[in-house]
Amino acid sequence: AQSVTQLDSHVSVSEGTPVLLRCNYSSSYSPSLFWYVQHPNKGLQLLLKYTSAATLVKGINGFEAEFKKSETSFHLTKPSAHMSDAAEYFCVVSDRYGGSQGNLIFGKGTKLSVKP
Amino acid sequence: KAGVTQTPRYLIKTRGQQVTLSCSPISGHRSVSWYQQTPGQGLQFLFEYFSETQRNKGNFPGRFSGRQFSNSRSEMNVSTLELGDSALYLCASSLAFQGTTNEKLFFGSGTQLSVL
Repeated sequence: AQSVTQLDSHVSVSEGTPVLLRCNYSSSYSPSLFWYVQHPNKGLQLLLKYTSAATLVKGINGFEAEFKKSETSFHLTKPSAHMSDAAEYFCVVSDRYGGSQGNLIFGKGTKLSVKP
Repeated sequence: KAGVTQTPRYLIKTRGQQVTLSCSPISGHRSVSWYQQTPGQGLQFLFEYFSETQRNKGNFPGRFSGRQFSNSRSEMNVSTLELGDSALYLCASSLAFQGTTNEKLFFGSGTQLSVL
């Protein structure tokens, strides 16, 4: 069965400094992996998606994530944080070939705070 | 193009009552998925409808049900409400069946249900 663990429930950075949000996954088969962002009182928005093409995936708003099979990780990074990046971020795994019919499994979320 | 619309935005009910939530997907999207979001359990998949048929279901009791109409609009019903059903219920739409495509999901802002 697949699962996803976001290693930090809360990350705080200063504006202009790098962002690192950590995610580890467990999957029996080749997973699809996603990062979604949720701003307060809003629905979730897809940041980026990995589906076995390039291991370094570029997303919107300057975010990117690297798929590392040996480490079962899919960490989200951004070189320089903006105040508008303050939100909750969800790492998501889908095990389409594992008989789960493509259920999306969401991590518990990481709340990113950006200090001026 | 209008986004995913969920109504109502807020609902207050008492234990034992039933509730119906509505979701209008993006025009042209045929798949509608429902998720429950709580602080303790995070985001959990409820079910997915595609072409008026439930194609995929999460691990929720039978009190949670849904349907999809020919115009792709979907409703979710919870009967015999319990205190633990208090949550943000999110609806997401996509072009194709999520279970086989892992298409990008477009989320609504959710319905905040409070059960007293």
